[in-house]
Amino acid sequence: GENVEQHPSTLSVQEGDSAVIKCTYSDSASNYFPWYKQELGKRPQLIIDIRSNVGEKKDQRIAVTLNKTAKHFSLHITETQPEDSAVYFCAASKTGRRALTFGSGTRLQVQP
Amino acid sequence: NAGVTQTPKFQVLKTGQSMTLQCAQDMNHEYMSWYRQDPGMGLRLIHYSVGAGITDQGEVPNGYNVSRSTTEDFPLRLLSAAPSQTSVYFCASSYSIGAGVNTEAFFGQGTRLTVV
Repeated sequence: GENVEQHPSTLSVQEGDSAVIKCTYSDSASNYFPWYKQELGKRPQLIIDIRSNVGEKKDQRIAVTLNKTAKHFSLHITETQPEDSAVYFCAASKTGRRALTFGSGTRLQVQP
Repeated sequence: NAGVTQTPKFQVLKTGQSMTLQCAQDMNHEYMSWYRQDPGMGLRLIHYSVGAGITDQGEVPNGYNVSRSTTEDFPLRLLSAAPSQTSVYFCASSYSIGAGVNTEAFFGQGTRLTVV
């Protein structure tokens, strides 16, 4: 089955800096890659997703890049703010598989 | 529109007890799933359903049962609770566009379960 690895497990940045979280996946048939943000004690919520027919997607300060050849995708957060502090999860899935395989999560701490 | 609703939010069980975690969604989503979240391990899939009457196992199904008698409800049953089942449980739902093409998964607020 699919295996998703996520790095780093913790990341501390200064407010205003950029943060990058990387994930690799094992199943070359995977074609849907969402990113979820989970604040302390809350439910995971989708922040951005990308499909395999595009290489990059942006939404304001957040962007995701996908390299299908290398089977990895990354989350980029620019101009970080304290409210970006949370745990971020990458995930992967493919057409016909209704559930997601998640990475182990990255705890991002943005220092004011 | 409540989204995905889970009950209870907190539960303490004794080893060997059974219980049912409830999950309901009002978005008419076809797909529903249960995950458990443990520190450092992300979210792991327990069971999922692609529609009423259809369920399947995920990565960690042992010790859990599910059923899907309606589109809205997807309860998770712990048959005989064990300390290893201490975790936070999340229910999620989503729909697909076309033939099984995935879209956003919406999560419930979670159930924090402790087995002593």
